[in-house]
Amino acid sequence: KQEVTQIPAALSVPEGENLVLNCSFTDSAIYNLQWFRQDPGKGLTSLLLIQSSQREQTSGRLNASLDKSSGRSTLYIAASQPGDSATYLCAVESNYQLIWGAGTKLIIKP
Amino acid sequence: NAGVTQTPKFQVLKTGQSMTLQCAQDMNHNSMYWYRQDPGMGLRLIYYSASEGTTDKGEVPNGYNVSRLNKREFSLRLESAAPSQTSVYFCASSTRHQGYEQFFGPGTRLTVL
Repeated sequence: KQEVTQIPAALSVPEGENLVLNCSFTDSAIYNLQWFRQDPGKGLTSLLLIQSSQREQTSGRLNASLDKSSGRSTLYIAASQPGDSATYLCAVESNYQLIWGAGTKLIIKP
Repeated sequence: NAGVTQTPKFQVLKTGQSMTLQCAQDMNHNSMYWYRQDPGMGLRLIYYSASEGTTDKGEVPNGYNVSRLNKREFSLRLESAAPSQTSVYFCASSTRHQGYEQFFGPGTRLTVL
């Protein structure tokens, strides 16, 4: 059964730092991996989608990588800003369903 | 273009009561989904509709029913609410069922007493 883990559960860093969020999954037979952002009391917003044949995707200050063989993905955030504070979730598409991690709550201190 | 809308935003039920959560999307998407999110856990899929006229069970379907009313609307019904169904419920939609970005509604926070 596919399981997705995100460590750490919470992270607090000063504004301006570059940071990396981690996501690991147990079964490498995935269709794609997606990173989402969730703001308190709101829905989820898709940030990046990496197809299983791709190694990385970039959008602005965000870069997501995928290593299927090791079952890992990272989300790199450059030059962090207070507005980046949110919970970041990763999800892998496996057997026609998204399997989700529990998320990393990120706080960027001004 | 409102995207994915959900009603209500909040609801409190007593054990045994029934209710229907409504979801609508205006993006002409074929596929729609219902998830629940519990504290400290990832989202879990309750039911999905890959295309109009079809519905399938997800990871945690027990205690729920769904209806794909038309291409725009996908409702989730709790026939006899239980405290274990206290959760935040999210509806999502995507162009097609596999390989496409999912777009989410703002969620419904449900408490069952």
